[in-house]
Amino acid sequence: GNSVTQMEGPVTLSEEAFLTINCTYTATGYPSLFWYVQYPGEGLQLLLKATKADDKGSNKGFEATYRKETTSFHLEKGSVQVSDSAVYFCAPFTGNQFYFGTGTSLTVIP
Amino acid sequence: NAGVTQTPKFRILKIGQSMTLQCTQDMNHNYMYWYRQDPGMGLKLIYYSVGAGITDKGEVPNGYNVSRSTTEDFPLRLELAAPSQTSVYFCASSYLGNTIYFGEGSWLTVV
Repeated sequence: GNSVTQMEGPVTLSEEAFLTINCTYTATGYPSLFWYVQYPGEGLQLLLKATKADDKGSNKGFEATYRKETTSFHLEKGSVQVSDSAVYFCAPFTGNQFYFGTGTSLTVIP
Repeated sequence: NAGVTQTPKFRILKIGQSMTLQCTQDMNHNYMYWYRQDPGMGLKLIYYSVGAGITDKGEVPNGYNVSRSTTEDFPLRLELAAPSQTSVYFCASSYLGNTIYFGEGSWLTVV
C-alpha cells in the first residue's frame, strides 16, 4: 500500500545550523511530493513541492529533491532560524489521497 | 480570500452527543478532506471526496459520517461522541491533487 516514513523528532538545532529531515515513501504509480509546515496553533501550510523525478522544490531557503530511484524527498536548509521552529510533514499524493507522515518537530534555539 | 473555512473553532461535547463540523471552500476545488490530529501526532484521514455526490472512507472513518451535496461544502458529522474523538479536526481542499489547503482547525473535546 501507500505510506510515508519520516525521520522521528523532536529535532533541536542551534541557529544557523544545517537541517535535514528524511522522508521516504511507498506509493503505487507516480506520486507528487509535498512538504507542509505547521506552526503552533495553526493549520498546515504548503512549504514546497515537486511533481516529477529530479525536480527540486524550494521555498524560504528550504529545498527537497524528488528522488525516484530511492523513493525519497528529504528536506534540507543550510542555515536555520528561530522562526523555522515548527512541525514539518512530508506528504506524497497518489490515488486521490495525500499520505501525511507523522511529522517532525523542529526547535531552533538562539 | 476566504479559502477553507471551518466552524466551530472550539467545542466541548458530552459523551453520546452529536454534532456537525462545517467546512466550506470558495476555490472551486473538487477534492475535499477531513483529517484528525491527536496531540503530538500526525494527520489521519477520516473521509475524503473527489467531487459533489462522491465520498470515500479514509484511514479512521468509524464514528463519523460525511456528505458532499455541493462542491463548496463538506460537513463532518459525529454521532454518539466518545472520548476517543477528542482531537483537532482539519478540513482541507485541493484541485486534482495539487496543493492542499487547510482550514484553521476545530478543537473538539469530548467529556
